[in-house]
Amino acid sequence: EAGVTQFPSHSVIEKGQTVTLRCDPISGHDNLYWYRRVMGKEIKFLLHFVKESKQDESGMPNNRFLAERTGGTYSTLKVQPAELEDSGVYFCASSQAGGNTIYFGEGSWLTVV
Amino acid sequence: GNSVTQMEGPVTLSEEAFLTINCTYTATGYPSLFWYVQYPGEGLQLLLKATKADDKGSNKGFEATYRKETTSFHLEKGSVQVSDSAVYFCALRLVQGAQKLVFGQGTRLTINP
Repeated sequence: EAGVTQFPSHSVIEKGQTVTLRCDPISGHDNLYWYRRVMGKEIKFLLHFVKESKQDESGMPNNRFLAERTGGTYSTLKVQPAELEDSGVYFCASSQAGGNTIYFGEGSWLTVV
Repeated sequence: GNSVTQMEGPVTLSEEAFLTINCTYTATGYPSLFWYVQYPGEGLQLLLKATKADDKGSNKGFEATYRKETTSFHLEKGSVQVSDSAVYFCALRLVQGAQKLVFGQGTRLTINP
C-alpha cells in the first residue's frame, strides 16, 4: 500500500513568487492534514480536511496560504506570494475516519530566497 | 491549552549508551501520546504510541510508558546505535474534540561510534 506522497520534494523560489505543494493521502483516508516546520522550530499544525471540507484551519498563518482538496482526494497548498519566513518543511499527513494514527509524508522542503 | 515540552537538545551520546529523552504534556482532555522520528533527509515516521495510562509503546528497541500521574511519556533505549541519529518529536492527540497532533519542539540526537 502506498504511503502519503508529496510533490515536489524540494523547491527553491524567489520572494514574491508562487508555489503549489501537492499531497496524495493514503487511499481511503478521509482525514488529511498539513503541518510545517519552520527554521528548526516545532512542527505546527496548519489545517485539517475531512474529505473535501475544511474541518479546522486555525493554524493557517495568513491569507497568503490557500489549501484545497477538491473531490476529497489529493490536496494542494498554495503560497502566494511567498515570503522568506515561509521557508521550511511542509508535511502532509492522513488518517482513517476514526483512526488514531496519523501517517506522514516525507515533506516538501521549501526555500524562499 | 494543549502543549508538549521536550528535553532540550542537541543530545550527543556514544554508541551503546543508554538514552532517555524526556517529554511532558499538558492536555485539556484525555490524549493519546506518540513519538515520531525524522532521520536525516527523510520525512516523519511514527516510532511508537500509547493510547491510555500505563500503556507502554515499543518499537526498534525504543520504549515509552504513558504516565498519567506525572503527565509524561519519556523515550528510552537501552543501547543506542549510530543509525539512531535523528530528530525525535513527542506529540499528543486528543481522543475527543480537535483531532490534530500537537508536537514538542524536537530533540536532535547524534550517536558517535
